[in-house]
Amino acid sequence: GAVVSQHPSWVICKSGTSVKIECRSLDFQATTMFWYRQFPKQSLMLMATSNEGSKATYEQGVEKDKFLINHASLTLSTLTVTSAHPEDSSFYICSATQTGRPNQPQHFGDGTRLSIL
Amino acid sequence: SQQGEEDPQALSIQEGENATMNCSYKTSINNLQWYRQNSGRGLVHLILIRSNEREKHSGRLRVTLDTSKKSSSLLITASRAADTASYFCATDERGAQKLVFGQGTRLTINP
Repeated sequence: GAVVSQHPSWVICKSGTSVKIECRSLDFQATTMFWYRQFPKQSLMLMATSNEGSKATYEQGVEKDKFLINHASLTLSTLTVTSAHPEDSSFYICSATQTGRPNQPQHFGDGTRLSIL
Repeated sequence: SQQGEEDPQALSIQEGENATMNCSYKTSINNLQWYRQNSGRGLVHLILIRSNEREKHSGRLRVTLDTSKKSSSLLITASRAADTASYFCATDERGAQKLVFGQGTRLTINP
């Protein structure tokens, strides 16, 4: 149980394109989801906390207009990288916590490798 | 911000040996978690230890937590080639729902 599906798993696109990444909790409800960014051989950096039905909370230094987050349902959060440029190339990972179960492990998707040409 | 420091950054051992990784953190926590990441994949949760616990076991994994020193260790016994991965500690800070990850240890098990 507690499966998180992330789609797509990889995407290559031209500079200036907007890219949408989906994060779905398949067998549980997730009021809160998290979006991370990971550069090669580095750790995960939290970008934002996505809350169902409300605005996301962004970490310091993360551009809200660049990384649009929508959490319209209890099972889906999306991250849109707007007007992507080569420096946005990275591995993006989402995670989710089960509604009503605080202090429990986060469940992670398999990540999306984004390459901007 | 990254608050966790992990040691060593990389570890290479022979199959069958034990592997120990250490993690230090800076603030008060609710719990500390260890995750594994295979190359190019997401994270898999291994074990969670609460702030009022000192040691926890799960199969070949043993985790200790010393809140006075703000440190934790992960021991993998009788290592296998399939244990090759990066291992991250993450702290669940009090008053915050988010996790803060350490820098990770890249573990290589040589057959």
